[in-house]
Amino acid sequence: DAGVIQSPRHEVTEMGQEVTLRCKPISGHNSLFWYRQTMMRGLELLIYFNNNVPIDDSGMPEDRFSAKMPNASFSTLKIQPSEPRDSAVYFCASSLFGSGSSNEQFFGPGTRLTVL
Amino acid sequence: AQSVSQHNHHVILSEAASLELGCNYSYGGTVNLFWYVQYPGQHLQLLLKYFSGDPLVKGIKGFEAEFIKSKFSFNLRKPSVQWSDTAEYFCAVKGYQTGANNLFFGTGTRLTVIP
Repeated sequence: DAGVIQSPRHEVTEMGQEVTLRCKPISGHNSLFWYRQTMMRGLELLIYFNNNVPIDDSGMPEDRFSAKMPNASFSTLKIQPSEPRDSAVYFCASSLFGSGSSNEQFFGPGTRLTVL
Repeated sequence: AQSVSQHNHHVILSEAASLELGCNYSYGGTVNLFWYVQYPGQHLQLLLKYFSGDPLVKGIKGFEAEFIKSKFSFNLRKPSVQWSDTAEYFCAVKGYQTGANNLFFGTGTRLTVIP
């Protein structure tokens, strides 16, 4: 099993540019989570999906952030326009949601975003 | 609302010392509990989890945790730490009756092990 796959691993962009982060969850998992991690704020849940449907997006900081999950094997997190304060490591995680599941989340390697 | 408290923000130990990291959660119903570890520059990896059954859970690398329902606690322990245990440790909880399956993470405890 390849685990959760994220791309790119590193992204450096200039303020105002659009940034798209990508995630491929573990095959068979039906829940997908986007987190942001910074020194100041720690680990924050941005949004999560069950069966491709957004369940809770209350952690999305503002309208500049959007996330989609068009199918069970792909999700994107988009920031438009990006700002320096968006610089962080963005993690994607997936899990199996359902009766009897322990709901363990498997994390991807993260995308380190730097907005200049 | 559910929450997780990790009271120790930074713990510094010498090699071979014993470790105990505190974790308390607020949810009163049935819970799943987790400890994740994040080594420097890496992603979160599962150390151990409590799902049901024996409240003393053994994980990888010699770690264990004890679920004490009456204290709403799930403290992480290791009898003898190594330099390679230097990392950040996150406790997380999933409550069953909320209808949601997201985990609530604590703020993390940074462990530094001095050789």
